[in-house]
Amino acid sequence: EDQVTQSPEALRLQEGESSSLNCSYTVSGLRGLFWYRQDPGKGPEFLFTLYSAGEEKEKERLKATLTKKESFLHITAPKPEDSATYLCAVPIGGYQKVTFGTGTKLQVIP
Amino acid sequence: EAGVAQSPRYKIIEKRQSVAFWCNPISGHATLYWYQQILGQGPKLLIQFQNNGVVDDSQLPKDRFSAERLKGVDSTLKIQPAKLEDSAVYLCASSRTGRVTYEQYFGPGTRLTVT
Repeated sequence: EDQVTQSPEALRLQEGESSSLNCSYTVSGLRGLFWYRQDPGKGPEFLFTLYSAGEEKEKERLKATLTKKESFLHITAPKPEDSATYLCAVPIGGYQKVTFGTGTKLQVIP
Repeated sequence: EAGVAQSPRYKIIEKRQSVAFWCNPISGHATLYWYQQILGQGPKLLIQFQNNGVVDDSQLPKDRFSAERLKGVDSTLKIQPAKLEDSAVYLCASSRTGRVTYEQYFGPGTRLTVT
């Protein structure tokens, strides 16, 4: 069965303490992977799309990488404003349809 | 470029009542999605439209939920009658359409509380 799993569920970091979030998937024929950020009370905000293994994308303190089995969202020297829930999504099933993971709730302490 | 608009932002109703949510997608986006997000979980797809046709409604509880997208632009999602377990955030999203799966852009959501 096709699945998307994120870990850890929650992560608490000190400001400046780098770490990585994981999104693993079991999908035959990967057609891309998406990362979103969701702040409390808001809809998810698109961050990155990765289409093939080995691809990397960067934005400020965030870098997303993709292998054949998983994706990592690396956060370098995080700041309190990076606190949010980070969601990954993978195309599974029908046309233009994605399945979301349950997310990682990141808290960065000053 | 204007984002995805949704209304209302919040709604409180009693069980067995009905409620409707409205969504206006980004101009030019042919694909529109409605998701249900329960606290602590990722968004779960309820229904997907391409233009004004339904592409996927396999997870829509059709005995109580209905949705339409008239003229391929705005969409409404209705719940009748509501149950306690329908308490959630209802998110609308839109995307371009093409040979690959494109990123989705979300509205702010409607937080529904059923008492």
